Amino acid sequence: AQSVAQPEDQVNVAEGNPLTVKCTYSVSGNPYLFWYVQYPNRGLQFLLKYITGDNLVKGSYGFEAEFNKSQTSFHLKKPSALVSDSALYFCAVREFSGTYKYIFGTGTRLKVLA
Amino acid sequence: EAQVTQNPRYLITVTGKKLTVTCSQNMNHEYMSWYRQDPGLGLRQIYYSMNVEVTDKGDVPEGYKVSRKEKRNFPLILESPSPNQTSLYFCASSLGQSSYNEQFFGPGTRLTVL
Repeated sequence: AQSVAQPEDQVNVAEGNPLTVKCTYSVSGNPYLFWYVQYPNRGLQFLLKYITGDNLVKGSYGFEAEFNKSQTSFHLKKPSALVSDSALYFCAVREFSGTYKYIFGTGTRLKVLA
Repeated sequence: EAQVTQNPRYLITVTGKKLTVTCSQNMNHEYMSWYRQDPGLGLRQIYYSMNVEVTDKGDVPEGYKVSRKEKRNFPLILESPSPNQTSLYFCASSLGQSSYNEQFFGPGTRLTVL
């Protein structure tokens, strides 16, 4: 069965410092991986996705994520955090074939401190 | 403006009183889905629809019904709501059935069942 784990409920980082939000996954086939962000009282917004090809994926607002097949991870990164990046971040996985379900992680709250 | 709309945004009801949460998208998307968001549990998929008249269960379908009679609409029906269905609900849509398409989310419906 598919699963996604976000091991940290909250990540605190100082403004200007690099940030990493962790995600690991488990699927039986090839994964499609996604990151979404949720600002307070809003729906989720798409940030970036991995389909195939280059393991480093670049997305919106300066975010990027690295796909690591051997470690089954898809960590979200940003070189220099902004206070406005403070939000709830969700990792999601979808299998290449078979099921059309989406599986989301439990979310990681990112707090960027001024 | 391309968007997913949900109504109502807030709803307080009592146990057993049937309710419907509407969802509509104006992007001609084939795939639509309902999620519930609960603290510590992230987003969990309730039902999804690949196209008109094609629906399937997600991970937490118990107590919910859906229908897809038109491409743009995907209502969520609670025939006999119970307090454990108190949650934040999101509708989402994506282009086509391909697993690599990202989803667009509505603003959410906060449901309280007393």
